[in-house]
Amino acid sequence: AQSVTQPDIHITVSEGASLELRCNYSYGATPYLFWYVQSPGQGLQLLLKYFSGDTLVQGIKGFEAEFKRSQSSFNLRKPSVHWSDAAEYFCAMDTGRRALTFGSGTRLQVQP
Amino acid sequence: DTAVSQTPKYLVTQMGNDKSIKCEQNLGHDTMYWYKQDSKKFLKIMFSYNNKELIINETVPNRFSPKSPDKAHLNLHINSLELGDSAVYFCASSQGQDNSPLHFGNGTRLTVT
Repeated sequence: AQSVTQPDIHITVSEGASLELRCNYSYGATPYLFWYVQSPGQGLQLLLKYFSGDTLVQGIKGFEAEFKRSQSSFNLRKPSVHWSDAAEYFCAMDTGRRALTFGSGTRLQVQP
Repeated sequence: DTAVSQTPKYLVTQMGNDKSIKCEQNLGHDTMYWYKQDSKKFLKIMFSYNNKELIINETVPNRFSPKSPDKAHLNLHINSLELGDSAVYFCASSQGQDNSPLHFGNGTRLTVT
């Protein structure tokens, strides 16, 4: 079955610390992969996407993600977290259905 | 300037009522979607339309009926509302290609009492 797993429901980091949010997918081939961020009461905003080529992709707000085929992973990273990064983060994949399958989300809290 | 706008933002209604949520996008996209986000924040696709044609209907009860009068609009009508319909409903649009990212509206929080 096609699915996206985000193993961490909730992560708390200190402001200025590095961040890594995990994402694993289950699919027989390489899907298109996305990370979205949702602030409270808002819709989802695209952070970055992976289609092919360079496995390290850069996104907005200083985020990057690395695709690892061998691990079926697409982890999101940021070297130094800001308080404004506190939000819900969703990993998603498109297997060609022209519709996204989302993970369950990871809530990020940032401590001052 | 809002790219994908949906109304209303909040909707509180009683069981058994019929309600509609409207969505409009000004991005010139060909494909529009409705997603449901439950109380645990899980997002699941309900429908997608491409140029007013239904593409995906993800085992949604037929009480839910999407209507697309043109490719810039995708409205969601819900009949005989049930408690379990309480959720946040997101409209989205994309260019309709396999790797096109979705642009989301800000959501409509539906509460059925």
